[in-house]
Amino acid sequence: SQQGEEDPQALSIQEGENATMNCSYKTSINNLQWYRQNSGRGLVHLILIRSNEREKHSGRLRVTLDTSKKSSSLLITASRAADTASYFCATDDRTGRRALTFGSGTRLQVQP
Amino acid sequence: GAGVSQTPSNKVTEKGKYVELRCDPISGHTALYWYRQSLGQGPEFLIYFQGTGAADDSGLPNDRFFAVRPEGSVSTLKIQRTERGDSAVYLCASSLQTGGDTGELFFGEGSRLTVL
Repeated sequence: SQQGEEDPQALSIQEGENATMNCSYKTSINNLQWYRQNSGRGLVHLILIRSNEREKHSGRLRVTLDTSKKSSSLLITASRAADTASYFCATDDRTGRRALTFGSGTRLQVQP
Repeated sequence: GAGVSQTPSNKVTEKGKYVELRCDPISGHTALYWYRQSLGQGPEFLIYFQGTGAADDSGLPNDRFFAVRPEGSVSTLKIQRTERGDSAVYLCASSLQTGGDTGELFFGEGSRLTVL
């Protein structure tokens, strides 16, 4: 079963606009990570936020984490056509499993 | 190599056949993971290796699936008596796994398996 569930499932915006994707999860976590996947390719790590952090930035990416609501958001500012991809959240939960549990992803389309 | 390498990139087989998928992780990465991804879905965990041993194989769907990592580097995912429902992209990932938490995973491009 999927631990993280992204919202929305699909998002279409114009170049230059901001894109916000949300992720909800069910169990206590050690950290939450966001990955990007271009069509037909492998996943690429974007950012990791630990359970004791509330916000993290990396370039045009901003991630927030609210452990009380078991949710996270990924904001991509000033989007570009090259940002078109699927974005997945993944949780490292505290059950002892040493593997990430992925959500079903948000498909982002950035129109040039 | 510089990244995680998976072969073959594409495999088409007939129902009932045996298939092997290979993963060559980043040199020095002790942790290795296999995931399966169906169209429009996120990766689904199959098995995790720490060194040579399978530390967690709870994601393997049934006993037709088996994976090995005999020397702690290259891993092979083996699927016996393939079924059409096994069709998916099989992703391999590796990581340093230096601490208690699961850190950044480095993924290969995947092996697309099609069972006719």
